[in-house]
Amino acid sequence: DGGITQSPKYLFRKEGQNVTLSCEQNLNHDAMYWYRQDPGQGLRLIYYSQIVNDFQKGDIAEGYSVSREKKESFPLTVTSAQKNPTAFYLCASSIGPSVGELFFGEGSRLTVL
Amino acid sequence: AQSVTQLDSQVPVFEEAPVELRCNYSSSVSVYLFWYVQYPNQGLQLLLKYLSGSTLVKGINGFEAEFNKSQTSFHLRKPSVHISDTAEYFCAVTHGAGSYQLTFGKGTKLSVIP
Repeated sequence: DGGITQSPKYLFRKEGQNVTLSCEQNLNHDAMYWYRQDPGQGLRLIYYSQIVNDFQKGDIAEGYSVSREKKESFPLTVTSAQKNPTAFYLCASSIGPSVGELFFGEGSRLTVL
Repeated sequence: AQSVTQLDSQVPVFEEAPVELRCNYSSSVSVYLFWYVQYPNQGLQLLLKYLSGSTLVKGINGFEAEFNKSQTSFHLRKPSVHISDTAEYFCAVTHGAGSYQLTFGKGTKLSVIP
C-alpha cells in the first residue's frame, strides 16, 4: 500500500542532543512537508520541499534542518538550538502545490527530558 | 497574510444529533479551503476541499461544508454524528493558487456522547 512512513513513533532525547526524524513516501509525490503540532496550537509549517535537492523554510524553521537527496525521503533534524522541541511532528506529501491533497504520516512524538 | 479562526476549541454533541464546526478565514487573495480530520495519535486525513464552483462541498463520512465569501466562512456540518466521528477537526486555507503553504486553524475537538 502506498503511503508515508514516519519513524520512530516515539523518541526521547536529552537536552543538548540533536535528533533526526525519518520520513519516507512511496506515493511518487514531488512535494514533502514537515509540520509541528502542539496541543491547542494547530499545525505549523517547519520546512517544505517542492523537488529533490530544494527546500524552503516555513513559519518556524529556527532550530531545525532538513535534506532532500531522494524523492522518497525528507528527514528532519531537531537541533540543540531548538528551544522547545517537545512536540508531535507530522510529515506530509502532495503531488504538487497544496491546492491538492496533503497525505500525512502517523507522526513522531518527541519528548525532551 | 492569512489566518484561520476556528471559533470553538471543543464541541460535545450527543450521538445522532447534528453538528456544525465553525471556521472563519481572512485573506487578501483567492482562497482554497480545506477540512482535515485527525484521530488520536494519528496523522491528518482530508475530509473535503473547496477550490471553485459550487459553494456546497460534500466530503467523506457524510460531512459537508459551505463556502460563504461574504462572511468569509467555511463551516463544517454533519446531520447525524456517530461515535466514530470523535476526533479533532482542522480548517485550513492556502496562500493562493500554486502555493505550497497551508495555514491551519487551531482545531476543534469533537466529542460524540453515547
